[in-house]
Amino acid sequence: NAGVMQNPRHLVRRRGQEARLRCSPMKGHSHVYWYRQLPEEGLKFMVYLQKENIIDESGMPKERFSAEFPKEGPSILRIQQVVRGDSAAYFCASSPGQGDVYGYTFGSGTRLTVV
Amino acid sequence: QKEVEQDPGPLSVPEGAIVSLNCTYSNSAFQYFMWYRQYSRKGPELLMYTYSSGNKEDGRFTAQVDKSSKYISLFIRDSQPSDSATYLCAMGFQGAQKLVFGQGTRLTINP
Repeated sequence: NAGVMQNPRHLVRRRGQEARLRCSPMKGHSHVYWYRQLPEEGLKFMVYLQKENIIDESGMPKERFSAEFPKEGPSILRIQQVVRGDSAAYFCASSPGQGDVYGYTFGSGTRLTVV
Repeated sequence: QKEVEQDPGPLSVPEGAIVSLNCTYSNSAFQYFMWYRQYSRKGPELLMYTYSSGNKEDGRFTAQVDKSSKYISLFIRDSQPSDSATYLCAMGFQGAQKLVFGQGTRLTINP
């Protein structure tokens, strides 16, 4: 039973390029969450999605960031025109259903470095 | 003021010691309280969770919540080198899906 799969594990982008981070939830999980962890900081909530719906994007920066969770395929976090401040570890978590804050399972993260 | 405050450490103790990790919070609306363990280059994994004041024990781990003081703790008994990791407290609201995390405390258990 594979856990939450994130890829790539490491991503290097030059300033101004686009970064696409992928997250495949655990089997049977239909809720996906994205968190960002800046160096020496805790995780910060970004967005909560269900299949084809964004439920809560209150933590997403207003510009350059977008997320989707299509009917088929992984959830994608997209960062356009990356800047050095976007360098961080991005974690995805999934849960079976609503109300399952205890049921979060995190992936191992994608470490984005902007050069 | 951050919603959740956690001393980042680092904290270094000898093997076998009792470890106490703490978080304070400012928002009395938090209903769920969790502790996660995060090894280097890995995602957080859930250790303990509770939604009421008092103590909850699981093996060598005890989670304590004091809602009146807005203070939560995690105690680790008989600490082992394999407990060396970053420990994150996290809190959630009733009916909401997102968690608010503390900064994390980096713990090292020395053999």
